[in-house]
Amino acid sequence: GESVGLHLPTLSVQEGDNSIINCAYSNSASDYFIWYKQESGKGPQFIIDIRSNMDKRQGQRVTVLLNKTVKHLSLQIAATQPGDSAVYFCAENENTGFQKLVFGTGTRLLVSP
Amino acid sequence: EAQVTQNPRYLITVTGKKLTVTCSQNMNHEYMSWYRQDPGLGLRQIYYSMNVEVTDKGDVPEGYKVSRKEKRNFPLILESPSPNQTSLYFCATSISGANVLTFGAGSRLTVL
Repeated sequence: GESVGLHLPTLSVQEGDNSIINCAYSNSASDYFIWYKQESGKGPQFIIDIRSNMDKRQGQRVTVLLNKTVKHLSLQIAATQPGDSAVYFCAENENTGFQKLVFGTGTRLLVSP
Repeated sequence: EAQVTQNPRYLITVTGKKLTVTCSQNMNHEYMSWYRQDPGLGLRQIYYSMNVEVTDKGDVPEGYKVSRKEKRNFPLILESPSPNQTSLYFCATSISGANVLTFGAGSRLTVL
């Protein structure tokens, strides 16, 4: 598969555990945030998003928390499964008028059966 | 099926030989963009397009060109590739603006 990062921070968990992946974003003016999952050999896939007027949003087995005071974003995955093994990226829309998402460098999640 | 299709998926070429990576989407999305992904650097935007005939530079546009003559296609052109353009390239689209992006499967380019 494609190598997306040789020196990524790695989180190793057991199947069934809850996982928390953290992200520090850079721009206090950012108003929209997204978490993506990238499996080996594939493009990033959307998981969940949150706007800056919220501090928590829940999806199926996933929760995103936003702390604007410290510019911190986290992704919580409940009852982690082997299929959750992937690289996870946070992305921010910096609300500068330039239409781009700025991506973090990613965290590798390894789930052991 | 809604999809973003990139071609080629893999390419090995030599310095200076012009190449084009195609991107096509069937979702009628207005916004299309190109990213490159490198170890330790994450995803960096090369160019984006808000609509037909509207394109703008991203963070790393040097050495690349794009065009948006039709809504569905957004080719990435390397006029004279160099080894530092060896990378994994992704095309990404959204209904409008840099919101929820749908990514293609990626194109691995090696320039010798």
